[in-house]
Amino acid sequence: AQKITQTQPGMFVQEKEAVTLDCTYDTSDQSYGLFWYKQPSSGEMIFLIYQGSYDEQNATEGRYSLNFQKARKSANLVISASQLGDSAMYFCAMREGVSSASKIIFGSGTRLSIRP
Amino acid sequence: GAVVSQHPSWVICKSGTSVKIECRSLDFQATTMFWYRQFPKQSLMLMATSNEGSKATYEQGVEKDKFLINHASLTLSTLTVTSAHPEDSSFYICSARATGFANEKLFFGSGTQLSVL
Repeated sequence: AQKITQTQPGMFVQEKEAVTLDCTYDTSDQSYGLFWYKQPSSGEMIFLIYQGSYDEQNATEGRYSLNFQKARKSANLVISASQLGDSAMYFCAMREGVSSASKIIFGSGTRLSIRP
Repeated sequence: GAVVSQHPSWVICKSGTSVKIECRSLDFQATTMFWYRQFPKQSLMLMATSNEGSKATYEQGVEKDKFLINHASLTLSTLTVTSAHPEDSSFYICSARATGFANEKLFFGSGTQLSVL
Protein backbone atom coordinates (compact mmCIF):
# COMPACT_ATOMS: atom_id res chain seq x y z
CA ALA A 1 0.00 0.00 0.00
CA GLN A 2 1.16 3.52 -0.70
CA LYS A 3 2.63 5.14 2.35
CA ILE A 4 3.01 8.58 0.82
CA THR A 5 0.56 9.81 -1.77
CA GLN A 6 0.98 12.87 -3.92
CA THR A 7 -2.03 13.16 -6.18
CA GLN A 8 -0.83 16.02 -8.35
CA PRO A 9 1.64 14.81 -10.98
CA GLY A 10 2.01 18.35 -12.35
CA MET A 11 0.92 21.88 -11.57
CA PHE A 12 1.15 25.21 -13.35
CA VAL A 13 1.05 28.38 -11.30
CA GLN A 14 1.39 32.03 -12.16
CA GLU A 15 4.41 33.78 -10.72
CA LYS A 16 3.76 35.51 -7.37
CA GLU A 17 0.75 33.36 -6.62
CA ALA A 18 0.63 30.98 -3.68
CA VAL A 19 0.56 27.25 -4.39
CA THR A 20 -0.38 24.21 -2.32
CA LEU A 21 1.14 20.82 -3.03
CA ASP A 22 -0.84 17.95 -1.59
CA CYS A 23 0.54 15.06 0.41
CA THR A 24 -1.22 12.37 2.41
CA TYR A 25 0.48 9.63 4.35
CA ASP A 26 -0.32 6.35 6.00
CA THR A 27 1.31 5.07 9.15
CA SER A 28 0.40 3.29 12.34
CA ASP A 29 3.39 4.73 14.20
CA GLN A 30 2.76 7.44 16.76
CA SER A 31 6.16 8.97 16.20
CA TYR A 32 7.05 9.97 12.67
CA GLY A 33 8.42 12.85 10.67
CA LEU A 34 7.30 14.46 7.46
CA PHE A 35 9.57 16.20 4.99
CA TRP A 36 9.40 18.11 1.77
CA TYR A 37 12.27 18.14 -0.69
CA LYS A 38 12.75 20.06 -3.91
CA GLN A 39 14.58 18.51 -6.85
CA PRO A 40 15.51 20.89 -9.68
CA SER A 41 16.58 19.59 -13.06
CA SER A 42 20.16 19.28 -11.79
CA GLY A 43 19.04 16.31 -9.70
CA GLU A 44 20.13 17.52 -6.29
CA MET A 45 17.70 17.06 -3.41
CA ILE A 46 17.09 20.27 -1.49
CA PHE A 47 15.55 20.05 1.96
CA LEU A 48 12.67 22.49 2.40
CA ILE A 49 10.80 21.81 5.60
CA TYR A 50 10.20 19.26 8.36
CA GLN A 51 7.23 18.49 10.61
CA GLY A 52 7.40 16.11 13.55
CA SER A 53 4.32 14.14 14.48
CA TYR A 54 4.29 15.65 17.94
CA ASP A 55 4.81 19.22 16.79
CA GLU A 56 1.71 21.19 17.64
CA GLN A 57 2.41 24.10 15.37
CA ASN A 58 2.73 23.99 11.62
CA ALA A 59 6.32 24.24 10.47
CA THR A 60 7.41 27.31 8.53
CA GLU A 61 10.66 28.06 6.70
CA GLY A 62 10.63 31.39 4.89
CA ARG A 63 8.16 31.14 2.00
CA TYR A 64 7.45 27.51 2.80
CA SER A 65 4.91 26.32 5.31
CA LEU A 66 3.57 22.89 6.03
CA ASN A 67 -0.15 22.54 6.62
CA PHE A 68 -0.14 19.59 8.99
CA GLN A 69 -3.52 17.99 9.65
CA LYS A 70 -2.77 14.97 11.77
CA ALA A 71 -6.27 13.53 11.95
CA ARG A 72 -6.53 13.63 8.17
CA LYS A 73 -2.96 12.41 7.77
CA SER A 74 -2.13 15.19 5.41
CA ALA A 75 0.99 17.35 5.17
CA ASN A 76 0.50 19.81 2.37
CA LEU A 77 3.28 22.19 1.36
CA VAL A 78 2.33 25.81 0.83
CA ILE A 79 4.65 28.06 -1.13
CA SER A 80 3.79 31.72 -0.84
CA ALA A 81 4.61 34.27 -3.53
CA SER A 82 5.95 31.73 -6.01
CA GLN A 83 9.04 32.55 -8.03
CA LEU A 84 10.34 31.29 -11.37
CA GLY A 85 13.10 29.47 -9.51
CA ASP A 86 10.50 27.39 -7.70
CA SER A 87 9.94 25.35 -10.86
CA ALA A 88 11.07 21.85 -9.94
CA MET A 89 9.93 18.45 -8.74
CA TYR A 90 8.68 18.42 -5.16
CA PHE A 91 8.70 15.29 -3.05
CA CYS A 92 6.89 14.62 0.18
CA ALA A 93 8.59 12.08 2.40
CA MET A 94 8.01 10.32 5.70
CA ARG A 95 10.19 8.79 8.38
CA GLU A 96 8.52 6.20 10.57
CA GLY A 97 9.83 5.69 14.08
CA VAL A 98 12.66 7.38 15.93
CA SER A 99 15.56 5.02 15.38
CA SER A 100 18.64 6.49 13.74
CA ALA A 101 18.19 3.83 11.09
CA SER A 102 14.58 4.72 10.40
CA LYS A 103 14.28 4.97 6.68
CA ILE A 104 12.67 7.76 4.77
CA ILE A 105 10.33 6.93 1.92
CA PHE A 106 9.20 9.31 -0.78
CA GLY A 107 6.00 10.05 -2.60
CA SER A 108 5.76 10.05 -6.37
CA GLY A 109 6.36 13.77 -6.60
CA THR A 110 4.69 16.81 -8.11
CA ARG A 111 6.24 18.75 -10.95
CA LEU A 112 5.64 22.44 -10.33
CA SER A 113 5.98 24.89 -13.19
CA ILE A 114 5.84 28.62 -12.53
CA ARG A 115 4.60 30.80 -15.38
CA PRO A 116 6.06 34.32 -15.76
CA GLY B 1 25.25 23.08 7.02
CA ALA B 2 26.10 19.43 6.73
CA VAL B 3 27.46 18.30 3.37
CA VAL B 4 27.36 14.94 1.66
CA SER B 5 29.75 14.40 -1.21
CA GLN B 6 28.98 11.80 -3.86
CA HIS B 7 31.42 10.72 -6.51
CA PRO B 8 31.42 10.32 -9.46
CA SER B 9 28.61 12.55 -10.64
CA TRP B 10 28.29 10.58 -13.84
CA VAL B 11 29.79 7.42 -15.25
CA ILE B 12 29.53 5.53 -18.51
CA CYS B 13 30.62 1.92 -18.52
CA LYS B 14 30.49 -1.17 -20.67
CA SER B 15 28.07 -3.96 -19.93
CA GLY B 16 29.60 -6.54 -17.60
CA THR B 17 31.90 -4.17 -15.76
CA SER B 18 31.54 -3.04 -12.15
CA VAL B 19 31.11 0.53 -11.00
CA LYS B 20 31.78 1.93 -7.54
CA ILE B 21 30.01 5.01 -6.22
CA GLU B 22 31.27 6.77 -3.10
CA CYS B 23 29.26 8.74 -0.59
CA ARG B 24 31.05 10.79 2.06
CA SER B 25 29.74 12.86 4.90
CA LEU B 26 32.16 15.77 5.00
CA ASP B 27 31.55 17.46 8.31
CA PHE B 28 29.57 15.00 10.37
CA GLN B 29 29.56 11.35 11.28
CA ALA B 30 26.87 9.19 9.81
CA THR B 31 26.28 5.77 11.32
CA THR B 32 23.52 5.29 8.79
CA MET B 33 23.46 6.16 5.13
CA PHE B 34 20.78 5.43 2.59
CA TRP B 35 21.03 4.57 -1.09
CA TYR B 36 18.25 5.51 -3.46
CA ARG B 37 17.67 4.87 -7.13
CA GLN B 38 15.68 7.17 -9.35
CA PHE B 39 14.45 6.49 -12.86
CA PRO B 40 13.67 9.45 -15.12
CA LYS B 41 10.63 11.42 -13.97
CA GLN B 42 10.01 9.01 -11.13
CA SER B 43 10.39 9.10 -7.39
CA LEU B 44 13.32 8.01 -5.29
CA MET B 45 13.21 4.33 -4.51
CA LEU B 46 15.05 3.24 -1.39
CA MET B 47 17.48 0.46 -2.24
CA ALA B 48 19.22 -0.17 1.04
CA THR B 49 20.21 1.18 4.40
CA SER B 50 23.93 1.22 4.97
CA ASN B 51 25.05 0.68 8.55
CA GLU B 52 28.58 1.45 9.67
CA GLY B 53 30.40 -1.69 10.69
CA SER B 54 27.62 -4.10 9.79
CA LYS B 55 25.79 -5.50 6.83
CA ALA B 56 23.48 -3.32 4.82
CA THR B 57 19.75 -3.82 4.99
CA TYR B 58 18.27 -4.21 1.54
CA GLU B 59 14.76 -3.40 0.51
CA GLN B 60 12.57 -6.09 -0.97
CA GLY B 61 13.39 -6.80 -4.57
CA VAL B 62 16.90 -5.32 -4.48
CA GLU B 63 19.61 -7.86 -5.24
CA LYS B 64 22.28 -7.63 -2.57
CA ASP B 65 24.81 -9.50 -4.71
CA LYS B 66 24.21 -7.06 -7.52
CA PHE B 67 24.40 -3.90 -5.46
CA LEU B 68 27.20 -4.30 -2.94
CA ILE B 69 27.22 -1.79 -0.12
CA ASN B 70 30.12 -1.20 2.20
CA HIS B 71 30.08 1.24 5.09
CA ALA B 72 33.60 0.94 6.38
CA SER B 73 33.77 4.16 8.36
CA LEU B 74 31.52 6.76 9.91
CA THR B 75 32.02 9.05 6.94
CA LEU B 76 32.09 6.75 3.93
CA SER B 77 29.66 4.38 2.28
CA THR B 78 30.16 2.83 -1.14
CA LEU B 79 27.76 1.26 -3.58
CA THR B 80 29.21 -1.10 -6.16
CA VAL B 81 27.07 -2.09 -9.09
CA THR B 82 28.51 -5.44 -10.11
CA SER B 83 28.40 -6.81 -13.65
CA ALA B 84 26.40 -3.80 -14.78
CA HIS B 85 23.81 -4.16 -17.51
CA PRO B 86 21.87 -1.53 -19.45
CA GLU B 87 18.86 -1.97 -17.17
CA ASP B 88 21.04 -0.78 -14.29
CA SER B 89 21.32 2.61 -15.96
CA SER B 90 19.76 5.06 -13.55
CA PHE B 91 20.36 7.97 -11.21
CA TYR B 92 21.76 6.78 -7.89
CA ILE B 93 21.72 9.11 -4.92
CA CYS B 94 22.96 8.65 -1.40
CA SER B 95 21.92 10.36 1.76
CA ALA B 96 22.97 10.54 5.36
CA ARG B 97 21.29 11.59 8.53
CA ALA B 98 23.07 14.07 10.74
CA THR B 99 22.14 13.21 14.27
CA GLY B 100 21.73 16.12 16.59
CA PHE B 101 19.76 18.19 14.14
CA ALA B 102 16.38 18.96 15.59
CA ASN B 103 14.62 18.27 12.36
CA GLU B 104 16.58 15.11 11.62
CA LYS B 105 16.71 15.89 7.98
CA LEU B 106 18.51 13.78 5.45
CA PHE B 107 21.37 15.38 3.59
CA PHE B 108 21.74 14.18 0.04
CA GLY B 109 24.68 13.75 -2.23
CA SER B 110 24.47 15.29 -5.67
CA GLY B 111 23.75 11.93 -7.28
CA THR B 112 25.45 9.70 -9.84
CA GLN B 113 24.06 9.21 -13.30
CA LEU B 114 25.07 5.72 -14.44
CA SER B 115 24.84 4.80 -18.09
CA VAL B 116 25.63 1.21 -19.05
CA LEU B 117 26.31 0.61 -22.72
